[in-house]
Amino acid sequence: DAGVIQSPRHEVTEMGQEVTLRCKPISGHDYLFWYRQTMMRGLELLIYFNNNVPIDDSGMPEDRFSAKMPNASFSTLKIQPSEPRDSAVYFCASRVAGGGTDTQYFGPGTRLTVL
Amino acid sequence: SQELEQSPQSLIVQEGKNLTINCTSSKTLYGLYWYKQKYGEGLIFLMMLQKGGEEKSHEKITAKLDEKKQQSSLHITASQPSHAGIYLCGAPPPGTYKYIFGTGTRLKVLA
Repeated sequence: DAGVIQSPRHEVTEMGQEVTLRCKPISGHDYLFWYRQTMMRGLELLIYFNNNVPIDDSGMPEDRFSAKMPNASFSTLKIQPSEPRDSAVYFCASRVAGGGTDTQYFGPGTRLTVL
Repeated sequence: SQELEQSPQSLIVQEGKNLTINCTSSKTLYGLYWYKQKYGEGLIFLMMLQKGGEEKSHEKITAKLDEKKQQSSLHITASQPSHAGIYLCGAPPPGTYKYIFGTGTRLKVLA
């Protein structure tokens, strides 16, 4: 299996622009998580889905952030408009319920820089 | 809300030395995960602990959860440069999948 796939790996944009991050979870996994990692705040959960349905989005910082999962193999995290404080590494992770080790598998991350 | 605190924040050791990283929870843990992260990469799962007193080992890395299930330690024996990276502990509060993570321990191993 290719693991969790994220794109792009790096994104540099200017303040005010729309940014869309993409994630393809591991096939057969029914949970998908979006995280943000910064030096100041560490790794924070933004939102997670179960069977394509958003379960908890309490970690989404502002209305500028939105996430969708139109099908079991694709999810997006959108920031509109972007701000310099959104600069961070964004990770997507997936897991399967009752999967023995009950662990999440992380993608390589998208490093976002907002100028 | 539950918080995970890791210590030390950073660690530099000579190759071949043993080291220990700690993760302390503000509440009882119902599962504790250890991950390793290299710069520019995602998190790699190392081990999961669930029962008080549980201990698991993988190659030269051993993790243990204390009996009260509020503290976990990760021990590396005879460290190697390949062990360098950021080690994070993570846990889901009971009844949720809202995983929280510690702030991480940066490990550097000098050859």
